[in-house]
Amino acid sequence: ETGVTQSPTHLIKTRGQQVTLRCSSQSGHNTVSWYQQALGQGPQFIFQYYREEENGRGNFPPRFSGLQFPNYSSELNVNALELDDSALYLCASSLGGARFGELFFGEGSRLTVL
Amino acid sequence: DQQVKQNSPSLSVQEGRISILNCDYTNSMFDYFLWYKKYPAEGPTFLISISSIKDKNEDGRFTVFLNKSAKHLSLHIVPSQPGDSAVYFCAATAGGGSQGNLIFGKGTKLSVKP
Repeated sequence: ETGVTQSPTHLIKTRGQQVTLRCSSQSGHNTVSWYQQALGQGPQFIFQYYREEENGRGNFPPRFSGLQFPNYSSELNVNALELDDSALYLCASSLGGARFGELFFGEGSRLTVL
Repeated sequence: DQQVKQNSPSLSVQEGRISILNCDYTNSMFDYFLWYKKYPAEGPTFLISISSIKDKNEDGRFTVFLNKSAKHLSLHIVPSQPGDSAVYFCAATAGGGSQGNLIFGKGTKLSVKP
């Protein structure tokens, strides 16, 4: 069974640039959620995708957008990067209908915005 | 405005003793609670959960207690082992919300000393 994998693991961008983060969900999982974890904070919900459609969104501006593909992998795109976007971005997959709220997380992509 | 609060940033316990991690919440709509454990350079992993219709759930050395009237839950680890040293996140979600929309606390770093 393949777990959740994310790429890249680390990246550095400058303010105003755009970034794309990628996530492959655990085998058999059809739901992907993205979280932002700033230093010293808990993960904060960005949005969730279920069967290629956005299915819930947290308090993040529209410059945070995403996609889910037919194989259930996903992308998180952030436009017009700001310094405060520096954080660990976590992808989590789950199986729709599985035990409520139980997510399987990847190791994360650490983004630094200079 | 933190809806899930873990007021102790760190906790140190001797091996073999009990570890008690605490969590408070403010949103009375929360009806499902989870604990996640996170090692450095890894994503959070699910540990144990509890529905609001219960006041206790056990899984091996881990027990979660829920006090709805006090809006408080706690995680007990007995006996504590050095491998339990990690950051523990409390998370909550509300019925009817998207499956992946978990609200996390800031975490408590547990150190279990041999």
